[in-house]
Amino acid sequence: EAQVTQNPRYLITVTGKKLTVTCSQNMNHEYMSWYRQDPGLGLRQIYYSMNVEVTDKGDVPEGYKVSRKEKRNFPLILESPSPNQTSLYFCATSRGSEAFFGQGTRLTVV
Amino acid sequence: DQQVKQNSPSLSVQEGRISILNCDYTNSMFDYFLWYKKYPAEGPTFLISISSIKDKNEDGRFTVFLNKSAKHLSLHIVPSQPGDSAVYFCAAVSNFGNEKLTFGTGTRLTIIP
Repeated sequence: EAQVTQNPRYLITVTGKKLTVTCSQNMNHEYMSWYRQDPGLGLRQIYYSMNVEVTDKGDVPEGYKVSRKEKRNFPLILESPSPNQTSLYFCATSRGSEAFFGQGTRLTVV
Repeated sequence: DQQVKQNSPSLSVQEGRISILNCDYTNSMFDYFLWYKKYPAEGPTFLISISSIKDKNEDGRFTVFLNKSAKHLSLHIVPSQPGDSAVYFCAAVSNFGNEKLTFGTGTRLTIIP
């Protein structure tokens, strides 16, 4: 079954404590991306990767890092989380213009 | 700068009637448009799409209309069913195959039994 798997699904953390949200896909897609969903703002792209070792900033990259060491994995790293990064995060993989999303990670930074 | 806008945050429709969700865009470089549906605690899932060379695309109960001159698209669901209750996002792509999706703010559709 084609899947995009994110972990964890829920996370509460404190300001400044580094965290990583993992994302893995089994569809062999080259393009992967991270979005955050906030009320009234829809889904906004944080970072994307067009292939292994190729990553680039999306629309709201500040405070985030990513890596793409292998095709299937695309972790999102928050080196020093702040309360304004409290949000619902989605990883996605794409073929053409159709994106397939993970189930989401709800992050709360206190 | 919101390039894709959904001006109705919510919409309630009686079961069996038609649901019409609207979306406006400002970037004339967008040439491919998609609708995604999102249930609580799940990721968005692809629903239907339309290329800018068409003005209508139909898939079962779902039809998307595109008015390029007005930079407007709409999603029609008929007849509406309780399982259609969800948040709907429209999204746009410039240069088909680029894969970068620009999303609207979403419309929460509630179907009243």
